[in-house]
Amino acid sequence: NAGVTQTPKFQVLKTGQSMTLQCAQDMNHEYMSWYRQDPGMGLRLIHYSVGAGITDQGEVPNGYNVSRSTTEDFPLRLLSAAPSQTSVYFCASRPGTGGHEQYFGPGTRLTVT
Amino acid sequence: ELKVEQNPLFLSMQEGKNYTIYCNYSTTSDRLYWYRQDPGKSLESLFVLLSNGAVKQEGRLMASLDTKARLSTLHITAAVHDLSATYFCALLRGTYKYIFGTGTRLKVLA
Repeated sequence: NAGVTQTPKFQVLKTGQSMTLQCAQDMNHEYMSWYRQDPGMGLRLIHYSVGAGITDQGEVPNGYNVSRSTTEDFPLRLLSAAPSQTSVYFCASRPGTGGHEQYFGPGTRLTVT
Repeated sequence: ELKVEQNPLFLSMQEGKNYTIYCNYSTTSDRLYWYRQDPGKSLESLFVLLSNGAVKQEGRLMASLDTKARLSTLHITAAVHDLSATYFCALLRGTYKYIFGTGTRLKVLA
């Protein structure tokens, strides 16, 4: 199993550009989530999904969109990038609704100039 | 506002010493997680604590949970250089929302 994969690993955008961060998992996990990690602030939840077609907002959803058309994929879209979105983005997944830990992808480092 | 606070934020310790990282939180929850992150890397799950009084141990690390005090601890015994990393606690709020602490950056000096 590849686990949780993310692409790209690095990305530089100009202000106002849009892009999609890709996330996929091959563990048949129902729950998937997106976080951003900024220095001194830990990880903050952006959006999450509990299954195909079901998404909800986390702590910092503004400026980001998500969709979940399959169990495996959970892309994160930046509609109009802003410098404040410069961060490291992590995707994670976990099985079902139990107390399981999350499994994290390798991360995408995004810089918006 | 829900808060998950870790202390200390930075910890520099000598090899062979013991120390404890504290994770305090401001709401009731009985699901607490500890993760490790090496520089430039992703997060790796260390412990899952699912009930009051839960204690888990792996090698030189031991984690515990006191839901009444809203406190979890990560105890390091006889630290070695390989334990140098950033450690995060995370609280599960409800069923789906995880709230992370700000992390404790640990440096173990030889």
